[in-house]
Amino acid sequence: EADIYQTPRYLVIGTGKKITLECSQTMGHDKMYWYQQDPGMELHLIHYSYGVNSTEKGDLSSESTVSRIRTEHFPLTLESARPSHTSQYLCASSPSDRAGNTIYFGEGSWLTVV
Amino acid sequence: GQQLNQSPQSMFIQEGEDVSMNCTSSSIFNTWLWYKQDPGEGPVLLIALYKAGELTSNGRLTAQFGITRKDSFLNISASIPSDVGIYFCAGRRAEKLVFGKGTKLTVNP
Repeated sequence: EADIYQTPRYLVIGTGKKITLECSQTMGHDKMYWYQQDPGMELHLIHYSYGVNSTEKGDLSSESTVSRIRTEHFPLTLESARPSHTSQYLCASSPSDRAGNTIYFGEGSWLTVV
Repeated sequence: GQQLNQSPQSMFIQEGEDVSMNCTSSSIFNTWLWYKQDPGEGPVLLIALYKAGELTSNGRLTAQFGITRKDSFLNISASIPSDVGIYFCAGRRAEKLVFGKGTKLTVNP
């Protein structure tokens, strides 16, 4: 069972607002990820991190930014939200051993920008 | 880029029937993962496969890692209404995880 938490679960904000989606895991996993998923569609990797102070962009270009100051925390920030950012954002983590081939997901944050 | 072809896209079955879905790729993966996602929730890991030819079960679920390392299937036996959801396969190569487009399963009681 994975212990990875995302807040907020649901958020409706106005265009131009700054928003930070929080993600925390209590498993001590080195690797963390952010995926973006539109309803009923596949997941696309937008950011990942191999450890503290490591962040990389994923396969899908995103205007969001991330930081990894602590192992357990991997927040995602949108400086100026737009309606095109409306989507579900899923945080995930994995350990660095062989089981690191397995990725565990949080419950997701549904963002609606109006 | 790497792509996974997951089929079928959707299935409508009667409770008690068995279900089979699969993923294929032109690329080799060293891990295959199967997830189930309920509406509004994150994907939940069902089965992880780490080696070619591996056959693994989790209750009524059985999944296999293809010998060529380019495919995997998931079977669900004796389906029940709570099996409803979207099932995703994912193949891992190095640090990247590639997802299929999902199979939407509907179970009629």
